[in-house]
Amino acid sequence: EPEVTQTPSHQVTQMGQEVILRCVPISNHLYFYWYRQILGQKVEFLVSFYNNEISEKSEIFDDQFSVERPDGSNFTLKIRSTKLEDSAMYFCASSGGTGGSYNSPLHFGNGTRLTVT
Amino acid sequence: GDSVTQMEGPVTLSEEAFLTINCTYTATGYPSLFWYVQYPGEGLQLLLKATKADDKGSNKGFEATYRKETTSFHLEKGSVQVSDSAVYFCALGGGGYQKVTFGIGTKLQVIP
Repeated sequence: EPEVTQTPSHQVTQMGQEVILRCVPISNHLYFYWYRQILGQKVEFLVSFYNNEISEKSEIFDDQFSVERPDGSNFTLKIRSTKLEDSAMYFCASSGGTGGSYNSPLHFGNGTRLTVT
Repeated sequence: GDSVTQMEGPVTLSEEAFLTINCTYTATGYPSLFWYVQYPGEGLQLLLKATKADDKGSNKGFEATYRKETTSFHLEKGSVQVSDSAVYFCALGGGGYQKVTFGIGTKLQVIP
């Protein structure tokens, strides 16, 4: 079964540094998402992306965050200047393959654990 | 806005016990409802879903029925196994390809 893959699995960075989290969504999917989960807390929506633009973003997704689909396969999340409170597990998801149903569920990757020190 | 409320854990059960994890939701319109499961060290996997009222989603012995009148989507399993130990998230989607909103997650621990 096709999978969403994320790299790296664990990223350690210093406060103020830029990080790029990478995702390869399922190949025929059209909708892409980033979520995060601070340790022990709920899974929070960050942003959704369709047709090469952001379709929705949450209050968490401020100017420090950006997303990009630089080629036909990758979907990246960039945090420009990391803060301690950005430490979390970041999940990429995709949905909506060609011919998929209107209520196509999200398929998640295994996540990237970001630790900001 | 849309929201999901689920019982907080952890829930500890003996093997072969009956499981219920309660979930209620608030949403405009007619969302799809989901249960996702997160095994230790892994990502979120779709466990089951229901797209309209009175639908029953089922998978791996787990079931949940979309109850519009009580705005609930409780997860049940008749006989849990140690391998079911995980965190279970109730979630709703606004329909189409809109974002999914998650509950806080309920940790289930099954002991032999």
